[in-house]
Amino acid sequence: KAGVTQTPRYLIKTRGQQVTLSCSPISGHRSVSWYQQTPGQGLQFLFEYFSETQRNKGNFPGRFSGRQFSNSRSEMNVSTLELGDSALYLCASSSGTETGELFFGEGSRLTVL
Amino acid sequence: DAKTTQPNSMESNEEEPVHLPCNHSTISGTDYIHWYRQLPSQGPEYVIHGLTSNVNNRMASLAIAEDRKSSTLILHRATLRDAAVYYCILRVQGGSEKLVFGKGTKLTVNP
Repeated sequence: KAGVTQTPRYLIKTRGQQVTLSCSPISGHRSVSWYQQTPGQGLQFLFEYFSETQRNKGNFPGRFSGRQFSNSRSEMNVSTLELGDSALYLCASSSGTETGELFFGEGSRLTVL
Repeated sequence: DAKTTQPNSMESNEEEPVHLPCNHSTISGTDYIHWYRQLPSQGPEYVIHGLTSNVNNRMASLAIAEDRKSSTLILHRATLRDAAVYYCILRVQGGSEKLVFGKGTKLTVNP
């Protein structure tokens, strides 16, 4: 079956702009979680959505937001971009149990100039 | 959040076994131990997970200490494709898919 698809794969923005990233989970998966990966901070949890509801949230400012649609596809948005938002943004899907594995996409690499 | 401690890097030779250690002394009784790996330019990939008993799958084996304060991921015969950063993660309980990643162990496999 198809894996987790993230779009776009690469994008460049300037400070102050906003960006929307998309994630299509594996068919049948109801949970989508987002992670930010930077060389300095490593992989950090942003938030998780399950059946269109945010189930958990990491320690990121309110500029980072997300949503999930009825078909489980998810988007995350970052407003008022800062240089420090440059990162690889990874999406993971799962069935939503606490012990199941997460399937990660290849990520969206955001560069903020 | 529960923390894990791993060596920053390890090196192995191709076709030899590799034992990747992880300490998790603050593990709770219901926390599962998960291992993921991240190959260069890819998202993390699930390797294996367990609770109390040792686990085997086609990729690796997971040996869990009796007191559950440590575990070891075993790659039985390392290949060049196993070169990656390996993350040992305690699955946070509470109805969430949140994974708390540490720095991981960068595994280098020599031909």
